Amino acid sequence: SQTIHQWPATLVQPVGSPLSLECTVEGTSNPNLYWYRQAAGRGLQLLFYSVGIGQISSEVPQNLSASRPQDRQFILSSKKLLLSDSGFYLCAWTRTRSTDTQYFGPGTRLTVL
Amino acid sequence: GENVEQHPSTLSVQEGDSAVIKCTYSDSASNYFPWYKQELGKRPQLIIDIRSNVGEKKDQRIAVTLNKTAKHFSLHITETQPEDSAVYFCAASTDYKLSFGAGTTVTVRA
Repeated sequence: SQTIHQWPATLVQPVGSPLSLECTVEGTSNPNLYWYRQAAGRGLQLLFYSVGIGQISSEVPQNLSASRPQDRQFILSSKKLLLSDSGFYLCAWTRTRSTDTQYFGPGTRLTVL
Repeated sequence: GENVEQHPSTLSVQEGDSAVIKCTYSDSASNYFPWYKQELGKRPQLIIDIRSNVGEKKDQRIAVTLNKTAKHFSLHITETQPEDSAVYFCAASTDYKLSFGAGTTVTVRA
């Protein structure tokens, strides 16, 4: 069966510091991968998605970036965090090149102070 | 792009009553409509989904209906229980992506 991991689970960072969040999927090949952000009490905002290694699509211009160095690894980064970057970051996957059920990882709760 | 609107934003029901959440979408090319339940501090979990070639789907106390002509779909929860209290999100798919509604906070009163 497929499993999705995210780390760290929680993170407290000062404004202006860098960020690196990691997501990995097990038990499948060439999945579609997604990064979402959820502000407190709000909905799900799609940040980036990838249909293959090195293929990244950005949905919202901001100070975040994403990379996919391996088939089942998706990384979310920032060079300088803003207060508004605080939130619950969720990674999700779905079967390769399909419009299908997205399964979410456990999430990373980021607080920027 | 796809725009999904969800109503109501909050819903309070008595235990045992039914709950209905409605969503509309804008892109007629959307063909997959999942519903997610999110408990406080946890990840969204799929509870039911429907594809555009089906008008209704049921799974125990949960059902979803789809009206492609009107571009709206609804979630129905019958015989609500306290554990149904959560935030529910509808979504519509286009081009490998899901567009989510803003969510409905459901509270089941004992």
